Amino acid sequence: YVLTQPPSESVAPGQTARITCGGNKIGTKSVHWYQQKPGQAPVLVVYDDSARPSGIPERFSGSNSGNTATLTISGVEAGDEADYYCQVWDTITAVFGGGTKLTVL
Amino acid sequence: EVQLVESGGGLGKPGESLRLSCAASGFTSSSFTFNWVRQTPGKGLEWVSSIDSGGRFIYYADSVKGRFTISRDTAKNSVYLQMSSLRAEDTAVYYCARGSFGSGTYRLDFWGQGTLVTVSS
Repeated sequence: YVLTQPPSESVAPGQTARITCGGNKIGTKSVHWYQQKPGQAPVLVVYDDSARPSGIPERFSGSNSGNTATLTISGVEAGDEADYYCQVWDTITAVFGGGTKLTVL
Repeated sequence: EVQLVESGGGLGKPGESLRLSCAASGFTSSSFTFNWVRQTPGKGLEWVSSIDSGGRFIYYADSVKGRFTISRDTAKNSVYLQMSSLRAEDTAVYYCARGSFGSGTYRLDFWGQGTLVTVSS
């Protein structure tokens, strides 16, 4: 199972960033999203398509339908600059997307 | 506070073995699934292996199947990755990640800081 993410996205502070994750019938799977800043471990920011872990700002949201899942970051801040990875389970195997580098202009 | 601390990384030669450890604290580790995920420097994340709470259901990525073995010691709140027949392409930062179940799948909700494994002659 292959997950496809755009290598990079750019957004101005205060604007909305949308990072996509494409996969065959991904809408039938639960998608998780991770944020990774340079030199740090990944952090879960959205799980089960649209749920937020404790401590994650409401600015982070997710959706999933058809062949595309989307991570949306509203009111982007400089601190949101990071790599973002989507992830699903393909039966017993975890699959990650290639990652999207979000640049805050 | 949930903490996962990896150790055991270092330099190994092709064909050699290394054993990684992940020490869990701040929660009842026996109730959770654990995963190893690796990341080649400058590249993306690759899932390596998982072990369920009872240690019975164990899965591996094809790239490490037959060479790596995951295990856990509930009494020590620890998870291990025995890496054998190391290859240059195993060079990566290895992360231990806790799996929490919900909506039919596991999310990796806490990660350690990682340990670097370098395979080189």
